[in-house]
Amino acid sequence: DAGVIQSPRHEVTEMGQEVTLRCKPISGHNSLFWYRQTMMRGLELLIYFNNNVPIDDSGMPEDRFSAKMPNASFSTLKIQPSEPRDSAVYFCASSLGLEQYFGPGTRLTVT
Amino acid sequence: QKEVEQNSGPLSVPEGAIASLNCTYSDRGSQSFFWYRQYSGKSPELIMFIYSNGDKEDGRFTAQLNKASQYVSLLIRDSQPSDSATYLCAVNHSGGYQKVTFGIGTKLQVIP
Repeated sequence: DAGVIQSPRHEVTEMGQEVTLRCKPISGHNSLFWYRQTMMRGLELLIYFNNNVPIDDSGMPEDRFSAKMPNASFSTLKIQPSEPRDSAVYFCASSLGLEQYFGPGTRLTVT
Repeated sequence: QKEVEQNSGPLSVPEGAIASLNCTYSDRGSQSFFWYRQYSGKSPELIMFIYSNGDKEDGRFTAQLNKASQYVSLLIRDSQPSDSATYLCAVNHSGGYQKVTFGIGTKLQVIP
């Protein structure tokens, strides 16, 4: 079975540009999570969805970040405008119970 | 106080020894506890979960939970160089649906 799929795997962009990260969860999972990982702060939950509905977005840093889940098989995380401090690895994870399965991540570099 | 605390390490152990990784949490109502392993440049993968006080064994791994002390640990017996990774402790919040909070992770180095 395919695991969680994320694209792109690497993204390099200039400050001020819009960045869109994509995620396809494992089929049948009902929850989807977006995380950001940095050396200093570790793995931080940005937002999570249950049955396509955003449940908790308290981790979203500011209005520059937005996330959508239009259907059970697709989600996006958008950063507009991007800033150098947004540079990190962004993970998407999905779950049916409490055990979460992570995608390979998107390494974002904002110059 | 961080919700989930771990020593970032590195923790160095010789091959064949027991590695002991520790984690404390602040939410006394937490019900579920997880250990994830993350190799450098890779994504976290679940290796153990525990819900009840006491020990849970799976192969060379043992998870230990003490809710009264708000403490969870992971023991790795007969440590191998392939166990060298960062180990993340994660805690499910009481009433928090499927949301978990991760610790910073402990980097383990197994020396051949």
